[in-house]
Amino acid sequence: GAGVSQSPRYKVAKRGQDVALRCDPISGHVSLFWYQQALGQGPEFLTYFQNEAQLDKSGLPSDRFFAERPEGSVSTLKIQRTQQEDSAVYLCASSFWGQGPEQFFGPGTRLTVL
Amino acid sequence: AQTVTQSQPEMSVQEAETVTLSCTYDTSESDYYLFWYKQPPSRQMILVIRQEAYKQQNATENRFSVNFQKAAKSFSLKISDSQLGDAAMYFCAYRRSPGAQKLVFGQGTRLTINP
Repeated sequence: GAGVSQSPRYKVAKRGQDVALRCDPISGHVSLFWYQQALGQGPEFLTYFQNEAQLDKSGLPSDRFFAERPEGSVSTLKIQRTQQEDSAVYLCASSFWGQGPEQFFGPGTRLTVL
Repeated sequence: AQTVTQSQPEMSVQEAETVTLSCTYDTSESDYYLFWYKQPPSRQMILVIRQEAYKQQNATENRFSVNFQKAAKSFSLKISDSQLGDAAMYFCAYRRSPGAQKLVFGQGTRLTINP
């Protein structure tokens, strides 16, 4: 596709449920990033992949958060046993160094945990 | 750790006027990039402008320009001839160089355009 896509756009979960958020990066983009954006705040880094390798997961807030990118393209962010504090917009971004240093963002998934 | 600070939670400007959004950052690195991203209500982050730290010349993109003061660690965005479509949240962001590096964002400035 022409841009980064994310699904679903909106997700409502009951506390304790598991959720899976999907990101389709721009074709050919080697690097993929996940960010968490709380209401009224700037995005905060969660994790980074280069191809299928997860090179940095220092931003994941707890072991309930897990991300994967098994074939080096589509990525999934999974949150187990969701808590109310997990409510946020989850943004995915991709980049390709040969095209410059900027990251291209998807529209985000708004997660609401009741 | 690097930090980015936007001290103006909200700004407003009359249509066709000029507005400047402020950003300061803290880093011990000498080589890095700075960005301004725009986030409308649709949530899609859109790159407005970028600046390489090694370049002394300020970046310009049509009505958008920056004032990059490396010694002062300041990176402000000037929007000229403001248009209604410029209304959005604006985020200043920093990333190290080289290679793929995470972005560190400021808290954002909500810009309102008054017709």
